[in-house]
Amino acid sequence: EAGVVQSPRYKIIEKKQPVAFWCNPISGHNTLYWYLQNLGQGPELLIRYENEEAVDDSQLPKDRFSAERLKGVDSTLKIQPAELGDSAVYLCASSPRSNTGELFFGEGSRLTVL
Amino acid sequence: QQQVKQSPQSLIVQKGGISIINCAYENTAFDYFPWYQQFPGKGPALLIAIRPDVSEKKEGRFTISFNKSAKQFSLHIMDSQPGDSATYFCAALQGAQKLVFGQGTRLTINP
Repeated sequence: EAGVVQSPRYKIIEKKQPVAFWCNPISGHNTLYWYLQNLGQGPELLIRYENEEAVDDSQLPKDRFSAERLKGVDSTLKIQPAELGDSAVYLCASSPRSNTGELFFGEGSRLTVL
Repeated sequence: QQQVKQSPQSLIVQKGGISIINCAYENTAFDYFPWYQQFPGKGPALLIAIRPDVSEKKEGRFTISFNKSAKQFSLHIMDSQPGDSATYFCAALQGAQKLVFGQGTRLTINP
């Protein structure tokens, strides 16, 4: 069974530039999460999807961050414009249902903003 | 706002020794407590989990001890091996709400 796939693995951009990250969850997993992981910290939830509906986006900085999950499968997280403080690892995870603490994480997308 | 506090930040243990990582929480509505293991360059992976109706769960060399009255839980790694060197995160879940992670413990097992 294929795991959660994320791309790109690494991205270096200048501040004020846009960036997008893509995630393909495990087949059949209805719940998809985007987490932010700063260096030396635990993951922090940005947004949670149930199928194509964003059910928890309270921690997503909506002035510059946006996300979508078309057709309830793949998802894209976008930052526009990027700031220096956005440098971090963006983790995508999926789970077969929402009321479970068993999340399957991808390897993450490491963003460096110069 | 940190809902799950984890300690220590880093831990060095000799091969064959016992590694112990502790976590504390405040929200008594949490009902599921997993531990995740993360290797460099990889995403976290579920290691072991416990619900508050049991005081201990063991899977191989990994054991979770849970103290509901003290609102604390810990991970014990017996016979620690160099391959156990990783960052460990405790976490807590309330129903269908988000999973909240601790700050992590970087574990190093010296050969």
